[in-house]
Order: sequence, then structure tokens, then C-alpha cells
Amino acid sequence: DIQMTQSPSSLSASVGDRVTITCQASQDISNYLNWYQQKAGKAPKLLIYDASNLKTGVPSRFSGSGSGTDFTFTISSLQPEDIATYYCQQYENLPYTFGQGTKLEIK
Amino acid sequence: QVQLVESGGGLVKPGGSLRLSCAASGFTFSGYYMSWIRQAPGKGLEWVSYISSSGSTMYYADSVKGRFTISRDNAKNSLYLQMNSLRAEDTAVYFCARDQLGTHAFDIWGQGTMVTVSS
Repeated sequence: DIQMTQSPSSLSASVGDRVTITCQASQDISNYLNWYQQKAGKAPKLLIYDASNLKTGVPSRFSGSGSGTDFTFTISSLQPEDIATYYCQQYENLPYTFGQGTKLEIK
Repeated sequence: QVQLVESGGGLVKPGGSLRLSCAASGFTFSGYYMSWIRQAPGKGLEWVSYISSSGSTMYYADSVKGRFTISRDNAKNSLYLQMNSLRAEDTAVYFCARDQLGTHAFDIWGQGTMVTVSS
């Protein structure tokens, strides 16, 4: 199975800050990498697909980059409503696997 | 409105069975692959199974292979997960999710249904 390692596991930042989360795959997954946001008690929401494509309707402050084994998710200017846990997910190989999550809090 | 609504969760004893359902609306259900994804309490996301749009191809995580069966009824716009030989470690919220066309990104999720396996 492909292991997905996110860092950090938790992050505290201030409103307006630039926030970056990384995701590393245990093998080359090309750009087959998606990012999700999960707010407490809710289902996850797709934000970014294929490493860098913003899902329609998602604010442009969210972005993603990378290919191969190393990926980055960025919030350019943190907003209070961005408090959530963020997950990466690969679909290069079955089983599809998720990172362990990054919990984002407001400082 | 594009929507997925799960049902069928509950409390079941170890070794027991449960069938989850997922009702789809607002899109052409028969055109999409569908998946089940679960989340144990306080834990991360685990993909469980997917089924092709026609229902002819299914894949399972090793943790559920041989115990769970995914199926669909395109005439009823419904997805199912038959869960047998349940274990305590199957306790989780189970989400159904739509595979975005061409990417295997999960672009639409249901609200989830809780399955608790306990004696």
C-alpha cells in the first residue's frame, strides 16, 4: 500500500497568515493527489484534485502543488472558517489511501 | 441538488451483520463510480470499497475483504454495503462518496451513518 505522510499533524496560525501543509507519498504517484477539508462533525469536502486543480466553487485562497512524491497545500490568507482538519489522498494505486490529517486551529 | 444520504447504521454485536444504504439524487447515478469510506471515532479516513458505474467491478480494502460486499441498483439510484462478521474495529462513521469523473477524487459525500460494533 502507498503510505501518505502529512506534516504537521497540527498547526496553529493567525487570521491572515499563509498556511502550508505537506504530504509525502511512499512512492511516485504522479499527480494523483487530492486534498479534502473536514470540519468537526461533518463529511469531508473536496478542495483540490489532481494535485493542483481547484474544485469549482472553492475559494481561490486554497491551492495545491507538487508531483511525484512531494506535495504542498496552501491557504494564502487564513480565514476563521478554515478551521478544520485537512487530508491528502492518493489514487495512483488501490487501496486509495489518505494522510493522517492536519488539524488547523486559530491562534 | 446533488445529494447522497446514507442509512442503516446502528449498534450490532461482534459477528453480526448490517446493511448500509446510500440514496443518490440530483445527478445521473448510473454514470459514476461510487465508494464507501469510513472514519473510526477520533481517527482519520479509510477507503473501504468502490464499485464501477455498471456494478461489474468492485474493489475492497484488505481489512474488509471477504466480509463486506458493495453493490448498487442503478434503477433505484442506490448504493449498498453489506457488512458481515463485524468486528469491534469496524466501528466507524461510514460515508458514501461519488468518484469525480476521471480523477477518483471524492467530490460528493453523504453525511455519514454510524456503525457501532459492541457486545
